[in-house]
Amino acid sequence: DIQMTQSPSSLSASVGDRVTITCQASQDISNYLNWYQQKSGKAPKLLIYDASNLEIGVPSRFSGSGFGTDFTFTISSLQPEDFATYYCQQYDNLPYTFGQGTKLEIK
Amino acid sequence: EVQLVESGGGLVQPGGSLRLSCAASEFAFSGYAFNWVRQAPGKGLEWVSYISSNSNDIYYADSVKGRFTISRDNAKNSLYLQMNNLRAEDTAVYYCARDTPRIAVAGCFHYWGQGVLVIVSS
Repeated sequence: DIQMTQSPSSLSASVGDRVTITCQASQDISNYLNWYQQKSGKAPKLLIYDASNLEIGVPSRFSGSGFGTDFTFTISSLQPEDFATYYCQQYDNLPYTFGQGTKLEIK
Repeated sequence: EVQLVESGGGLVQPGGSLRLSCAASEFAFSGYAFNWVRQAPGKGLEWVSYISSNSNDIYYADSVKGRFTISRDNAKNSLYLQMNNLRAEDTAVYYCARDTPRIAVAGCFHYWGQGVLVIVSS
């Protein structure tokens, strides 16, 4: 199975901050990488697919980059509604696997 | 608006069975592949199973292989997960998730249901 390692596991930041989360795959996954946002008690929401493509309706302050094994997810200017847990997920090979999550909290 | 509504969860004893359903509406159900993804309490996300639009391709996580069966009824716009020989470690919220419409691509979960809780305990 492909292991996905996210860092950090948790992060404290303030409204307006720029935030970056990284995700490393245990093997080359090309650009087959998604990013999801999950708020407490809710289903995950797809934000970024194919490593860098913004899902329809997702604000442009969210972005993703990377290829191969190393990926980055960025929120350019944190908004109050962005405090949530974020997951990366690879879909290069079955089983599809997720990172352990990054909990983004208010400082 | 795409709607996915899961049902069938609840409390079951170890070794017991449950059948989850996911009712879809507001889109052409038969044209999409689907997945089940679960989340144990306070834990991360785990992919469970995949079924293609015509049911020809079905895959499972090793953790559920031989115990869970995914199926669908395109006439009823419904997805199912039959769960047998349940274990305590199967306790989780189970989500149905619609896969990408792109050709020759799978594993992008664009739409999710609200989830249904399964508790396996004596």
